[in-house]
Amino acid sequence: DTGVSQDPRHKITKRGQNVTFRCDPISEHNRLYWYRQTLGQGPEFLTYFQNEAQLEKSRLLSDRFSAERPKGSFSTLEIQRTEQGDSAMYLCASSFGQSGTEAFFGQGTRLTVV
Amino acid sequence: TQLLEQSPQFLSIQEGENLTVYCNSSSVFSSLQWYRQEPGEGPVLLVTVVTGGEVKKLKRLTFQFGDARKDSSLHITAAQPGDTGLYLCAGTRGNNDMRFGAGTRLTVKP
Repeated sequence: DTGVSQDPRHKITKRGQNVTFRCDPISEHNRLYWYRQTLGQGPEFLTYFQNEAQLEKSRLLSDRFSAERPKGSFSTLEIQRTEQGDSAMYLCASSFGQSGTEAFFGQGTRLTVV
Repeated sequence: TQLLEQSPQFLSIQEGENLTVYCNSSSVFSSLQWYRQEPGEGPVLLVTVVTGGEVKKLKRLTFQFGDARKDSSLHITAAQPGDTGLYLCAGTRGNNDMRFGAGTRLTVKP
């Protein structure tokens, strides 16, 4: 399968714990995006990378959130000291080129904070 | 205030009916995408439009990009239960990130 891959698919964690999600984009896609989606809403932009550079970070992304893409390939999204409000689907997408055209999504990681 | 406003938010119709959903903004986009999402899955790309006034057809789905590249519509002819899902529009401005609307949740009843 050469699509966008996200791991894990589901994560249940206790409030206050740290969690890390991984995204493997489509090979040779230089752009990688992270979104958060809650029930009944569209995806909310969190951050995006062009190669290894993080070009924009949403104000939604508090200091507890950090994302990396160290070699311009896979990316990780870490949430420290999780809160119940962090419960959501975290989506990763990738695209090739200078704009968001033709971005393809992974299946997402569903986080539940209890 | 969302960058992209989608309407209606919910739509429930009978199989065989036609429908149109809208995606509007005050911003100009270099490209606009439509996605369909099913519960528990990531959005699946349906189409990308880049030229003002562009019309694209995908079987029973017709997508139109406004002349000013600020809005778009999706028309479905003879809807089927398999069309049920969340329809999302997303726009890109210049060289920047991609932002989504809140979506239109479509239910097609047999």
